[in-house]
Amino acid sequence: DAMVIQNPRYQVTQFGKPVTLSCSQTLNHNVMYWYQQKSSQAPKLLFHYYDKDFNNEADTPDNFQSRRPNTSFCFLDIRSPGLGDAAMYLCATSRALAGSMDEQFFGPGTRLTVL
Amino acid sequence: AQSVTQLGSHVSVSEGALVLLRCNYSSSVPPYLFWYVQYPNQGLQLLLKYTSAATLVKGINGFEAEFKKSETSFHLTKPSAHMSDAAEYFCAVSDLRGAQKLVFGQGTRLTINP
Repeated sequence: DAMVIQNPRYQVTQFGKPVTLSCSQTLNHNVMYWYQQKSSQAPKLLFHYYDKDFNNEADTPDNFQSRRPNTSFCFLDIRSPGLGDAAMYLCATSRALAGSMDEQFFGPGTRLTVL
Repeated sequence: AQSVTQLGSHVSVSEGALVLLRCNYSSSVPPYLFWYVQYPNQGLQLLLKYTSAATLVKGINGFEAEFKKSETSFHLTKPSAHMSDAAEYFCAVSDLRGAQKLVFGQGTRLTINP
């Protein structure tokens, strides 16, 4: 089945130690999104790629970076994780075709713990 | 700017009872509306979506929602609750501008009592 895959599902890092989360998709969608979701809250969009174009949300901290080396893969880099960055990180994809509205397909998420 | 308000952060119903989760939206352009469900430690799964076709939208697992423009609402219903429906439910709004970003409501946690 076509899907959105996130690895690892659970990640533990130390305060200040860089960490990378991975997302891959077999849907061949042109848009990929990264969300941060803290406990009992709605997902918060960090940034998205529209094809190769990177779009950062205005309130996303500089500590968060992303890379999309090809259509299938997208990475979330947290340069110096703080305790407040502990959260579930969700990757999503969509087709975003002009004139039509496709839903976003979500991966299972990576739960990040910062010690 | 678009926004979504979900009335009630927690809803509790008995098994077999009607489920009603409320969502009101604000949008300056014709909206696209979605309901997603999230089970513990999992990603979001689409239940249904409104994309300007029929105002009554049927989704998976027996859920449906009705788009009411006059009330700016998109409430989610299910006639008979099952224990497996216990989860977090998110309403979201988007439009055709740009990369079609979703704006989520704060979520409603649904509990089913036996």
